[in-house]
Formats: sequence, C-alpha cells, structure tokens
Amino acid sequence: KAGVTQTPRYLIKTRGQQVTLSCSPISGHRSVSWYQQTPGQGLQFLFEYFSETQRNKGNFPGRFSGRQFSNSRSEMNVSTLELGDSALYLCASSPGTGENTGELFFGEGSRLTVL
Amino acid sequence: DAKTTQPNSMESNEEEPVHLPCNHSTISGTDYIHWYRQLPSQGPEYVIHGLTSNVNNRMASLAIAEDRKSSTLILHRATLRDAAVYYCILRESILSVGQAGTALIFGKGTTLSVSS
Repeated sequence: KAGVTQTPRYLIKTRGQQVTLSCSPISGHRSVSWYQQTPGQGLQFLFEYFSETQRNKGNFPGRFSGRQFSNSRSEMNVSTLELGDSALYLCASSPGTGENTGELFFGEGSRLTVL
Repeated sequence: DAKTTQPNSMESNEEEPVHLPCNHSTISGTDYIHWYRQLPSQGPEYVIHGLTSNVNNRMASLAIAEDRKSSTLILHRATLRDAAVYYCILRESILSVGQAGTALIFGKGTTLSVSS
C-alpha cells in the first residue's frame, strides 16, 4: 500500500511569512504525528492528531499548529517564521490504537528553509 | 518515556556483524524497546521491537538483557546500505482509544558507518 506522503518536499520562505505543510497518512491509519528535525536539537515531537483531535503536544510555541481532516490527512502550519524554524519536518502515521507496537511510518519530510 | 543511552558512533566493515548497544536502566515493566533507523535524506524507519524475549525479523535481531536494563540491536551482516543513525526508544505497550497518544522520544542515536 502507498506510504506516507508529504508535500511539498522543499520550500523556501522568508522571516515573518507563514507556511503550511501537508501529510497524507497510510490508508486506514487514524493517527498522524509531526516531528521537527534540526542538526542541533535532533528529532523533536511537535504534536499528534487522532480522529481529527489533537491528543498530544510537544514543547513548541503556539506559532506551530496543526489540524487533521476527516480523511485523516493532516496539515501543520507555522506562522511568523523565524530563522530557527529551518528544519526537516517529518510526518508519521500509525493505526493509533490497540497494541502500541510503536511502528510509526514516516514520510520523507518537508525541508523548510527560512531566509 | 524513560531515557535511553547509546554510543555516539560505531564503525563496521561490510559483511561483518554489528552489535549496537542501548542502556535503559529506568525502563518500566510495560515499556517496549523499539529501534528505528534513519538513512541519509530519509525519514526514520522502524527496525524491530521487543518486550522481554529476544526478537528476530528480516532486518535485525534484538537481544534483551534478563533485567531489561539494556538491549542490543544486531545486524548480522552489515551492508553499505545499513549506514544510518540508529535510535533506541522506549514506549508504553498498549494504546487505547481514550488514551493520550505517546510520542516517540528520540535521543541522539548511534551513527553507524560501514566500510567496504
């Protein structure tokens, strides 16, 4: 079956702008989580959505937000971009319930550069 | 989630076995031990997980100490494609509908280099 799809793969923005990233999970998966990866901080959890509700959130400022649609697709938004928001943003999907095998399926990420 | 400790880097030669260690002395009884790896320019991918018994799959083996305070990921014959960052992560075992989801807490991982 198709994997996790993230769009766009690469984008360049300037400080102060906002950006929206999209993630299409594996068919049947109801949980979508987002991670930020930077050279300095490594992989950090942003938030998780399950059945259109945010059920877990990492330690990021309110400029970072997300949502999930009824078809489980998810978007994340970063407003008032700062240079430090330059990162690889990764989306992961999983069934979301039952035995928590921990097998998250990651997309290839959206690489954001803020100038 | 409990914390794990891994060496920063390891080196291996092609066709040789690789043993990647992980310490997790504060593991709880319900924590599964998971391994993910991240190849260059890709998202992390699941490798293997286990609770108490050793586990094998097509990618690797996971050896878990009897006291569960440490584990070792074993790649039986390293290839150049196994060069990646390997993450050892602990996760709670069961997730119910009403339960808050648990995030993967990534450490720095171990960077594995494989030489031909």
